[in-house]
Order: sequence, then structure tokens, then C-alpha cells
Amino acid sequence: GAVVSQHPSRVICKSGTSVKIECRSLDFQATTMFWYRQFPKQSLMLMATSNEGSKATYEQGVEKDKFLINHASLTLSTLTVTSAHPEDSSFYICSARDIVRGYGYTFGSGTRLTVV
Amino acid sequence: EDKVVQSPLSLVVHEGDTVTLNCSYEVTNFRSLLWYKQEKKAPTFLFMLTSSGIEKKSGRLSSILDKKELSSILNITATQTGDSAIYLCAVVGGYGNKLVFGAGTILRVKS
Repeated sequence: GAVVSQHPSRVICKSGTSVKIECRSLDFQATTMFWYRQFPKQSLMLMATSNEGSKATYEQGVEKDKFLINHASLTLSTLTVTSAHPEDSSFYICSARDIVRGYGYTFGSGTRLTVV
Repeated sequence: EDKVVQSPLSLVVHEGDTVTLNCSYEVTNFRSLLWYKQEKKAPTFLFMLTSSGIEKKSGRLSSILDKKELSSILNITATQTGDSAIYLCAVVGGYGNKLVFGAGTILRVKS
């Protein structure tokens, strides 16, 4: 099946710094990738839809200046949490779909962000 | 607003029991419904359902979609402790084929 690689798996950063999370589709091209956030014991909340070569589409309530998304190629999308605060600590997951081969949405392994 | 509702929110059963998890949805431009199992990390894919009334089966797990009732069920028979996880239902729809998740059902199987 399709494989999505996400890095880093875990990151600890200081308040006020920025953190970049990468999401790569390894064996397929993804014109669209999705970024989710998950708090403990809660479901995945869609943050934004990342579109290759164009601006991301953000869900209501998600600050686009704080969560910068770049989808520069058909296999790579990045999420940058800018000026991170402790309340940004969460589990961030990306997903993509191999439309050509008709697989369902595949998730990256997730990134546990802790802001201290 | 697109919405996916799962029930129950949590469930505790004994090994060998059969469980049924429910998912209902209200989504514009419905495309498909997916079930995932999440343990410690990212969700792992179980089923994708697009047609009503056709059961998908994988071992002890099975699922079916009812487009008329806008719902789906996930059945797990002869449960094992390894089935303990969060089961997530997600629907593809809306503009841009977004994947919208329900809150999940936390299943705990006791030995």
C-alpha cells in the first residue's frame, strides 16, 4: 500500500521558537495532503488541506499565520508551528491518498510536539 | 457543517464478546466512509466503504454502510485484548474531499 513518512516523530522546543514537521509520500504523488491535530483521548481534528503548488486551505479557527503549510512538491508537505506556545503541544499527523492506485487515506506516523 | 458522530464513546467488554460500533454522518458531497484503528501512534486503515449494503470483511472485523440511514457499523467478533484501541470513523466529502473524523470509540477488551 501507499506509504507516508513523517518527521520528526517527537520534538521538544522552547516557547517562542518555530518547529517544522515534514510529511512525505514515499511511493506515490500526492497533490493533496491533510494535516491533523490530536489532543489526548480526543479524535483527529482537521487543521488544513495542503495543495501542491498553491495555498493551503485552513479550517475555521486555525490560524494560518501560526501554522504555516508549504506543499512545494508532489511528495512533500511541511507544517511549521511558528512562535510555539505550550498550548500548541499536541500530536500532529499528516495524511495523503494515492488516488492513482485507489488506496484509502494513509497516515504518517505522527509528530509529538512538546513546547516547554 | 460536516459532522460525524460515533457511539458509544467508550466500551469495556470481555474477551470473546462481540461488539458493534456505530457511526453516523452528515456530510455534503459524500464520497466514502472509512474506519481506522488507533493504538499508540497514527491510525491504521481498516475499511473503506462507498456502496450501501455491501459488507466488507477482514478476519474478525466487518463493516457495512447504509447510505439511506447515513450510517455505518463496525463489528468485531470474538474480541481479543489486542483489539483494545480507539476506533475512528471518518467520512470523505465536503469541498476538496476532506476526511472528517468522528470523536472515536475507545474499546477496552478485558482478559
